[in-house]
Amino acid sequence: EPEVTQTPSHQVTQMGQEVILRCVPISNHLYFYWYRQILGQKVEFLVSFYNNEISEKSEIFDDQFSVERPDGSNFTLKIRSTKLEDSAMYFCASSEPRTGGEALHFGNGTRLTVT
Amino acid sequence: AQTVTQSQPEMSVQEAETVTLSCTYDTSESDYYLFWYKQPPSRQMILVIRQEAYKQQNATENRFSVNFQKAAKSFSLKISDSQLGDAAMYFCAYRTASKLTFGTGTRLQVTL
Repeated sequence: EPEVTQTPSHQVTQMGQEVILRCVPISNHLYFYWYRQILGQKVEFLVSFYNNEISEKSEIFDDQFSVERPDGSNFTLKIRSTKLEDSAMYFCASSEPRTGGEALHFGNGTRLTVT
Repeated sequence: AQTVTQSQPEMSVQEAETVTLSCTYDTSESDYYLFWYKQPPSRQMILVIRQEAYKQQNATENRFSVNFQKAAKSFSLKISDSQLGDAAMYFCAYRTASKLTFGTGTRLQVTL
């Protein structure tokens, strides 16, 4: 069964550094998403992306964050200047663009640790 | 804005027994979709079951079924014949066209 893949599985970075989290969505999916989950807390929506532009973003997704689909297969989340509070599990997801009710398929996540 | 509430932070069930996890949501939409996701200790997000709001029939998927009460905005998950592998965090979620909104989750323990 096709799956969403995320790399790396664990990323450690120093505060203030830029980090790029990478995702390869399922190949025939056209909607892409990033979510984050701080340890022990709820899964929070960051951004959705369709047709090469952001569909919706949350208040968490400020100017420090950006997304890109650089080559038709990868979908990346960039954090420009990481803060301690950015430490979390980041999940990429994708879905088919049929009726709007399709399930999101999630990757295994990237654990980001900011020191 | 849509909100999803899971009022049970933790639940426990004995192996082979049945357990029901609660979820309520708030929306002004008439057409939407609801999901339950399971997150085991590996932290992967796994789809358990999906329900279309326009369907009156409750969704079932093997040992998993839902009780969808649209007027009450309630969407509970029933797990029958619980197995040790069912131990996980369970998230209820509400889908709009551009995003999925999760509840705070219920941690399910399965005991022998």
